[in-house]
Amino acid sequence: DAGVTQSPTHLIKTRGQQVTLRCSPKSGHDTVSWYQQALGQGPQFIFQYYEEEERQRGNFPDRFSGHQFPNYSSELNVNALLLGDSALYLCASSLFVGTGTGELFFGEGSRLTVL
Amino acid sequence: AQSVTQLGSHVSVSEGALVLLRCNYSSSVPPYLFWYVQYPNQGLQLLLKYTTGATLVKGINGFEAEFKKSETSFHLTKPSAHMSDAAEYFCAVTLFSGSARQLTFGSGTQLTVLP
Repeated sequence: DAGVTQSPTHLIKTRGQQVTLRCSPKSGHDTVSWYQQALGQGPQFIFQYYEEEERQRGNFPDRFSGHQFPNYSSELNVNALLLGDSALYLCASSLFVGTGTGELFFGEGSRLTVL
Repeated sequence: AQSVTQLGSHVSVSEGALVLLRCNYSSSVPPYLFWYVQYPNQGLQLLLKYTTGATLVKGINGFEAEFKKSETSFHLTKPSAHMSDAAEYFCAVTLFSGSARQLTFGSGTQLTVLP
């Protein structure tokens, strides 16, 4: 059973550039959430996608946008990169309508470095 | 809004000693609580979760946690530390019992196990 997969694992960008990160959810899951984990910090919620729509959003600027495809995979896009966007970006999948326990399954993350 | 505080950003224990990682939450309604572990350069793995019912929750790798409503705490314990337990541990809370699984994480506790 494939877990949550993310790509790329590492990437380096320069300020002002744009980046796209990709995520495939765990088999059977239909909801994808994205989290940003800065160095030495806990993950912070960016947004959640279900049925190809953004369902919830954390306190992140509009430079952060996303997309969910019919096969439930998802992309996170960040425009006009800032040095402060350097972080590990984690994708988590779950079932939108499930047992209600709130359990998320995480991928290994994409580490973005902005120079 | 809910929040989580993890007391002690770094904890060191000797191999075989008791592990105690502290987590206090703030919530206006009964929360769902989680402990995740993160090994270097990896994503988050669920250790255990509290939803409803029994307040003493057992997880993987010999860890357990007790939900204490009166103390708003959910401390993580393990009777005997193993070298392989060295990792970063995150406590998280969500208020939503249904579909909107937005987790709020603490800032993490780095556990070091000394030989």
